[in-house]
Amino acid sequence: DADVTQTPRNRITKTGKRIMLECSQTKGHDRMYWYRQDPGLGLRLIYYSFDVKDINKGEISDGYSVSRQAQAKFSLSLESAIPNQTALYFCATSDPGTNAYEQYFGPGTRLTVT
Amino acid sequence: SQKIEQNSEALNIQEGKTATLTCNYTNYSPAYLQWYRQDPGRGPVFLLLIRENEKEKRKERLKVTFDTTLKQSLFHITASQPADSATYLCALGLRGGYQKVTFGTGTKLQVIP
Repeated sequence: DADVTQTPRNRITKTGKRIMLECSQTKGHDRMYWYRQDPGLGLRLIYYSFDVKDINKGEISDGYSVSRQAQAKFSLSLESAIPNQTALYFCATSDPGTNAYEQYFGPGTRLTVT
Repeated sequence: SQKIEQNSEALNIQEGKTATLTCNYTNYSPAYLQWYRQDPGRGPVFLLLIRENEKEKRKERLKVTFDTTLKQSLFHITASQPADSATYLCALGLRGGYQKVTFGTGTKLQVIP
């Protein structure tokens, strides 16, 4: 089974709708991240969480909110979706105990806002 | 302003040759730099980390260099294979950044048989 899973994998929604993207991990990592990826812009950090009680804004948090329901679960919400939020969204985790600081990514959610 | 630049044009290389990808940055003082591989429709996968006090790191056919004076990292794949075809991302980590990194836009590598 995959260590980092994301649901849904694909979603088409309309402008103004509220949508939630979910991320679960079985790696036991405290740190979790949400990124969006757009062609030509690369991966940009939306929110990150270092434990259940710690939530931080990334470089592009406007229009998004998150919830860390448990160590293993980190959800991203778009309160009122708009077309320029059409992108590929990735969840990632990391373990502060490693020397490589590597991040483990989920398979991504492709979101289209019409 | 802070910038991380990777060649946006795809790099085409013949099988068996060495592929060299570049990551340049401005207005950063990274404590470390990472390289990731991303296949179409998939999340990035970590390959290597190199710290600011290291000049070179190797892992199997991969070699990374880090020149903090030039503000540049080079990523080499020796004896390249078609299976190495993917997009390669560099990511910069700052001191005290608690594993939070900033990614470049990536370079697409195509290894031609």
